[in-house]
Amino acid sequence: GDSVTQMEGPVTLSEEAFLTINCTYTATGYPSLFWYVQYPGEGLQLLLKATKADDKGSNKGFEATYRKETTSFHLEKGSVQVSDSAVYFCALRPLSSTLGRLYFGRGTQLTVWP
Amino acid sequence: NAGVMQNPRHLVRRRGQEARLRCSPMKGHSHVYWYRQLPEEGLKFMVYLQKENIIDESGMPKERFSAEFPKEGPSILRIQQVVRGDSAAYFCASNSDRGYTEAFFGQGTRLTVV
Repeated sequence: GDSVTQMEGPVTLSEEAFLTINCTYTATGYPSLFWYVQYPGEGLQLLLKATKADDKGSNKGFEATYRKETTSFHLEKGSVQVSDSAVYFCALRPLSSTLGRLYFGRGTQLTVWP
Repeated sequence: NAGVMQNPRHLVRRRGQEARLRCSPMKGHSHVYWYRQLPEEGLKFMVYLQKENIIDESGMPKERFSAEFPKEGPSILRIQQVVRGDSAAYFCASNSDRGYTEAFFGQGTRLTVV
């Protein structure tokens, strides 16, 4: 079935460090892929998305590339800030599904220290 | 344009009581999804509704849980005879078409069963 496997946390970095959070998926066909961010006490906000192979989603300095050959959608940022501290969720929406239902990874807690 | 509105933000119930969680989708959105986030876990799909119809309830527990989205008013997730294991954050999301637009999430209702 469809599923998302996400790098276990927590991740702790110093400000301006490079960030990678790994995400791999299992799905038939070409799902849409997403990264959501959840700040403390808040709901999920869409960070970026990609809908087809080799697409790169980007937003607020974060990037992720849809890699069909490795079934991956790793999140990266070149220089993290304290304000990036949050929980990050990788998610997919199956192409075969017309329901708009998302499958989420377990989430990765990121803490950035000044 | 207000976002997805959930209330209450925090709800405390004693074991055996009923919990009612409300979700008002974004204006113009007719598709609502409920997700549950257990501690240290990602979001798990519960149910997908359109106005007056349950489309997919495959993620709903078989007993005590029900959901509705009436023609007028918010969507309601109802949990009868709550138990401690129901303690979680419950998120609602909405979108405007059957999976072809991104889903916007509310801030969630944090249910604590004591």
